[in-house]
Amino acid sequence: KNQVEQSPQSLIILEGKNCTLQCNYTVSPFSNLRWYKQDTGRGPVSLTIMTFSENTKSNGRYTATLDADTKQSSLHITASQLSDSASYICVVSGSSGGGADGLTFGKGTHLIIQP
Amino acid sequence: EAGVAQSPRYKIIEKRQSVAFWCNPISGHATLYWYQQILGQGPKLLIQFQNNGVVDDSQLPKDRFSAERLKGVDSTLKIQPAKLEDSAVYLCASSALRQSHYGYTFGSGTRLTVV
Repeated sequence: KNQVEQSPQSLIILEGKNCTLQCNYTVSPFSNLRWYKQDTGRGPVSLTIMTFSENTKSNGRYTATLDADTKQSSLHITASQLSDSASYICVVSGSSGGGADGLTFGKGTHLIIQP
Repeated sequence: EAGVAQSPRYKIIEKRQSVAFWCNPISGHATLYWYQQILGQGPKLLIQFQNNGVVDDSQLPKDRFSAERLKGVDSTLKIQPAKLEDSAVYLCASSALRQSHYGYTFGSGTRLTVV
């Protein structure tokens, strides 16, 4: 069964600190992996998309890594800001996996940045 | 480029009432998705359209939920009658190509509260 597991479930850090969120997946065959940021009550916004051949991709203070061999990904946030408080969702796209949309969603990590 | 538009942004109704949500996808996107996202969980696919045809609605509770995409552009999702457990954020997404999810983008969602 295709699954995406994220950890931790929730995280609280002080403003200015760094943090790393984890995503492990079992989706096969693999097409790409995406990280989304979702503010409360809003739709998810794409941060990064990585294919099999990419092992790192940055978007400002966000850096995602992908190890396709171990089926693990991480999202590193540098110098956190209050506006980073949100849920971060890992989504894996497989050509035949997941739902009819080919996507398997993680449950997200709820990140809170404290001043 | 305009994003995926959804309305209303918020809706509060009593149980057993009816409600409808509207989605306007990105221009030219053939594939449209409706998701239900319960608090603390990842989005769950309800229905997927390719142009004006249904690709998959296996997870749509058809006794109370219905959706249509007339003319292959805008879409509406209806709940009749609503139950307390329908309280969630309803997300619409669209993509240009079904398999590669090219341009896959979420709308801001409609937050439904059933009381």
